[in-house]
Amino acid sequence: QKEVEQNSGPLSVPEGAIASLNCTYSDRVSQSFFWYRQYSGKSPELIMSIYSNGDKEDGRFTAQLNKASQYVSLLIRDSQPSDSATYLCAGTRGSYIPTFGRGTSLIVHP
Amino acid sequence: DAGVTQSPTHLIKTRGQHVTLRCSPISGHKSVSWYQQVLGQGPQFIFQYYEKEERGRGNFPDRFSARQFPNYSSELNVNALLLGDSALYLCASSFGGGGVAEAFFGQGTRLTVV
Repeated sequence: QKEVEQNSGPLSVPEGAIASLNCTYSDRVSQSFFWYRQYSGKSPELIMSIYSNGDKEDGRFTAQLNKASQYVSLLIRDSQPSDSATYLCAGTRGSYIPTFGRGTSLIVHP
Repeated sequence: DAGVTQSPTHLIKTRGQHVTLRCSPISGHKSVSWYQQVLGQGPQFIFQYYEKEERGRGNFPDRFSARQFPNYSSELNVNALLLGDSALYLCASSFGGGGVAEAFFGQGTRLTVV
């Protein structure tokens, strides 16, 4: 099993809908998780971090962590075409070795 | 306020050659990490340096090496280039020694090995 797994997509949602991006992780990944957004040809940009079970909200973004199920998700409310990008889930192996999933491509169509 | 800067932005090298990539972190940041990203994959961790000391190394061959200078800038060196080394090389800086949390990425260096 890969340490951090994501469905590569693409996930296609209509403008205004909720986009749900999911990520699972193995036992080798610890409690710190992060979502990055990467536009085509650009570098990753940190959107949110989450460290404890439950939900964390920041504007239109909500990160959810379920340690029992080893599952992390990112919800984007009121999706906009400008949200179209690849979303990378990352965890921390050991105390600081970052491990990224392959990313999920999100397409928000008007 | 300048972000993380990397140079060069694009590079074409021949198999067997050596390459040096450079990174300047955000002012005040003491940690620099290097990643390799091939098309369709997430970034793969190569090295992290904090206060000029190597703090972590990913699963890359010894052909890859790095160092951090007193001004916290960093170099990534790759020897005996292979076609498979073609990728986007990303540098990220952070204030503390944390891995991903506070990391800000540079624009990357696109390396093509022919």
